[in-house]
Amino acid sequence: DVKVTQSSRYLVKRTGEKVFLECVQDMDHENMFWYRQDPGLGLRLIYFSYDVKMKEKGDIPEGYSVSREKKERFSLILESASTNQTSMYLCASRSAGGGTGELFFGEGSRLTVL
Amino acid sequence: AQSVAQPEDQVNVAEGNPLTVKCTYSVSGNPYLFWYVQYPNRGLQFLLKYITGDNLVKGSYGFEAEFNKSQTSFHLKKPSALVSDSALYFCAVRDSNTGGFKTIFGAGTRLFVKA
Repeated sequence: DVKVTQSSRYLVKRTGEKVFLECVQDMDHENMFWYRQDPGLGLRLIYFSYDVKMKEKGDIPEGYSVSREKKERFSLILESASTNQTSMYLCASRSAGGGTGELFFGEGSRLTVL
Repeated sequence: AQSVAQPEDQVNVAEGNPLTVKCTYSVSGNPYLFWYVQYPNRGLQFLLKYITGDNLVKGSYGFEAEFNKSQTSFHLKKPSALVSDSALYFCAVRDSNTGGFKTIFGAGTRLFVKA
């Protein structure tokens, strides 16, 4: 069964802490994505990566960075967490192919910043 | 600007009745359209997609969607709703301005199916 695994389902952090969210996929997908989900706003793209060590900003990259050192792993980093980053974070992967393929999502990481 | 609209925040339907969740889109070029479902505290799951071909697309769990180019719509349908269909549904479209990398999501429609 194909899978996208997010390392933490629930996290509680304090303002100013550094936060790492990790995502691993086992489908050999080229493309990986980090989204943020907030009620009424749908999913907003933070960053994506189309290859190892390659990254592109999405629609809301401010306050976030990413790392992709291996094809299967894509990490989201909050350098200094703030309360407005309290949200559900979703990782997804997809094979290359001009956007015709569907996204495969992890279960999500719900982050609360106090 | 390319966009997806889901005009209803919530849809209520009785079990056994047909259901429709609406979606309209605005893109340049040919639209690649998707529906995803999210159950509570879970990630999104793919339901179906339209890339080309038949306007009626069949997907998982008995869902189907009809692509209507003239009305720029891609409504999700099911002939007979189940209580277990209660979930959050997202319509999405490929952003053709970014080489297909980005997907634009609607705000989501919550479906309640009452027994």
